[in-house]
Amino acid sequence: GESVGLHLPTLSVQEGDNSIINCAYSNSASDYFIWYKQESGKGPQFIIDIRSNMDKRQGQRVTVLLNKTVKHLSLQIAATQPGDSAVYFCAESSISGAGSYQLTFGKGTKLSVIP
Amino acid sequence: DVKVTQSSRYLVKRTGEKVFLECVQDMDHENMFWYRQDPGLGLRLIYFSYDVKMKEKGDIPEGYSVSREKKERFSLILESASTNQTSMYLCASSGGTPNEKLFFGSGTQLSVL
Repeated sequence: GESVGLHLPTLSVQEGDNSIINCAYSNSASDYFIWYKQESGKGPQFIIDIRSNMDKRQGQRVTVLLNKTVKHLSLQIAATQPGDSAVYFCAESSISGAGSYQLTFGKGTKLSVIP
Repeated sequence: DVKVTQSSRYLVKRTGEKVFLECVQDMDHENMFWYRQDPGLGLRLIYFSYDVKMKEKGDIPEGYSVSREKKERFSLILESASTNQTSMYLCASSGGTPNEKLFFGSGTQLSVL
């Protein structure tokens, strides 16, 4: 059967420091990208999105950077707080073979904030 | 506030049972989705729907079916549950064009014994 990796990449950050979570996407035709936060036992929660005609977008304490040349997306969290501890994953949107838009999700990164 | 509600938080079923997972959204969204989430595999799309009575297969539709009789409700059906369908099931919806962010429910953790 298929080998399954159970361990997510983990990022440990001191409270108050900035966090940077990275995501490599696969489809150069993807034109819309989203970051989600998922706390234990909850559904994914939208954080911020960016379209491919932009390379940076800022929200409250969060910034998303898009580098289309190397197909790389990052999420920066300023002044990380204990409540930021969660799994973060990116999603890319592209047109499927059937002609409909589909979101493809990354596996996620676990952020642990050290008080 | 946007709300996607899944009827059950936890479910325990036996192999061979027919299982219904219900999802309701109150945002008048056209698009609704069912995903399953497994450790190490991330989110995988089972089925989606862009309109009432319309459905399309996602990446892993085998063993599942769906029903969308009303715009706000999207049901996932496991015709004959198997142990490999033990998973976290997430419902989501989006409005406007299909190329928009999804709003997720809290999930249903299904255990098939």
